Amino acid sequence: QSALTQPPSVSGSPGQSVTISCTGTSSDVGSYNRVSWYQQPPGTAPKLMIYEVSNRPSGVPDRFSGSKSGNTASLTISGLQAEDEADYYCSLYTSSSTLVFGTGTKVTVL
Amino acid sequence: EVQLVESGGGVVQPGGSLRLSCAASGFTFDDYAMHWVRQAPGKGLEWVSLISGDGGSTYYADSVKGRFTISRDNSKNSLYLQMNSLRTEDTALYYCAKDIAHVDTAMVSYYFDYWGQGTLVTVSS
Repeated sequence: QSALTQPPSVSGSPGQSVTISCTGTSSDVGSYNRVSWYQQPPGTAPKLMIYEVSNRPSGVPDRFSGSKSGNTASLTISGLQAEDEADYYCSLYTSSSTLVFGTGTKVTVL
Repeated sequence: EVQLVESGGGVVQPGGSLRLSCAASGFTFDDYAMHWVRQAPGKGLEWVSLISGDGGSTYYADSVKGRFTISRDNSKNSLYLQMNSLRTEDTALYYCAKDIAHVDTAMVSYYFDYWGQGTLVTVSS
């Protein structure tokens, strides 16, 4: 299974909204809802931000939201803050008992 | 407080072996599946392997199948990854990660709510 496609980078000013896409095919993203998103600030371990397409673990600000349409899942950060600057990865589990990550997106707060 | 602490990384020649360990605390270890995820320097995340809470089920990425073996000792709250026939492309920071699903709800969810800080494996001659 190939890595899911994400834009290499997105940027926005404080207070703005940014959206990161995670594109697959009708056989993976289009057919399964086991999509999650991870935030990884430089030099740190990843942190779970969204699971099952749109669910937030406790402690994750509601500025972070997830959605899916067709073969593309998306993570939206509303009210962008300086602390949101990090790499973000989507991931997807299908029925093959393996997990695939996206290519990763660097979010820059201008 | 949940803590995951990896150890065992180092420098090894191609074709060599290494055994990674992950010491877990702060939760009932055998109630959760555990995973290994790796990240090559400057690259993205790659899922490596999974083991169920009771150790009875294991799964591997195609890139490591037949070379790596995941195991756990629930009496010691420890997770392991035996890596054989190492290749230069196995060079990475190896994280252990806890699955979010409790055994009463599902064997595994493939969502990771806690991660260790990683242990670095360098395969080089």
